[in-house]
Amino acid sequence: GAGVSQSPSNKVTEKGKDVELRCDPISGHTALYWYRQSLGQGLEFLIYFQGNSAPDKSGLPSDRFSAERTGGSVSTLTIQRTQQEDSAVYLCASSSGPLESQHFGDGTRLSIL
Amino acid sequence: DQQVKQNSPSLSVQEGRISILNCDYTNSMFDYFLWYKKYPAEGPTFLISISSIKDKNEDGRFTVFLNKSAKHLSLHIVPSQPGDSAVYFCASRGNYGGSQGNLIFGKGTKLSVKP
Repeated sequence: GAGVSQSPSNKVTEKGKDVELRCDPISGHTALYWYRQSLGQGLEFLIYFQGNSAPDKSGLPSDRFSAERTGGSVSTLTIQRTQQEDSAVYLCASSSGPLESQHFGDGTRLSIL
Repeated sequence: DQQVKQNSPSLSVQEGRISILNCDYTNSMFDYFLWYKKYPAEGPTFLISISSIKDKNEDGRFTVFLNKSAKHLSLHIVPSQPGDSAVYFCASRGNYGGSQGNLIFGKGTKLSVKP
């Protein structure tokens, strides 16, 4: 499809394991964002990529979280040594520019046991 | 501290009537606001936006009003339809006046439109 694609749609893992979440943005979109939505909360900004610029990592909650974007397209969000408080829906969005409307994927629901 | 607040977690409206969803913000420097709609198990979809240089923006059944002095905005849906039932998120562009577009979201209001 032409929209933002995220995988997996659901992930259940044990506390302490590492997880990788993937985002395929809309083709040609230069801006890519990661957010997460914890239960009963709004979406919380995590990290932002724009073209070849250094990413804005100001929203990452701890150094266990990291993200990369290869070739200006696909992005992976990695959470190391997962904790139960990491359980949330992780949403990726892309836009054609930093001030343009963001298009969201359907998210990855992460559950840490 | 929440910078964007949606104080009503839920709202129930009869089909055909007006739905009014409210949002307050704390930072007077915020200059661009958006509303997103979210169905269960789907990502949010952009609905309507407003720049701080305006006080109203209209798109079909959806109108957003901005009151800068009160740091308040509202989304009006007229007439409401059962398909409008969803969670509505208010958001502000976080990097006001800058070149980055990360958004600051409220916690959302769940709208139920009853036939």
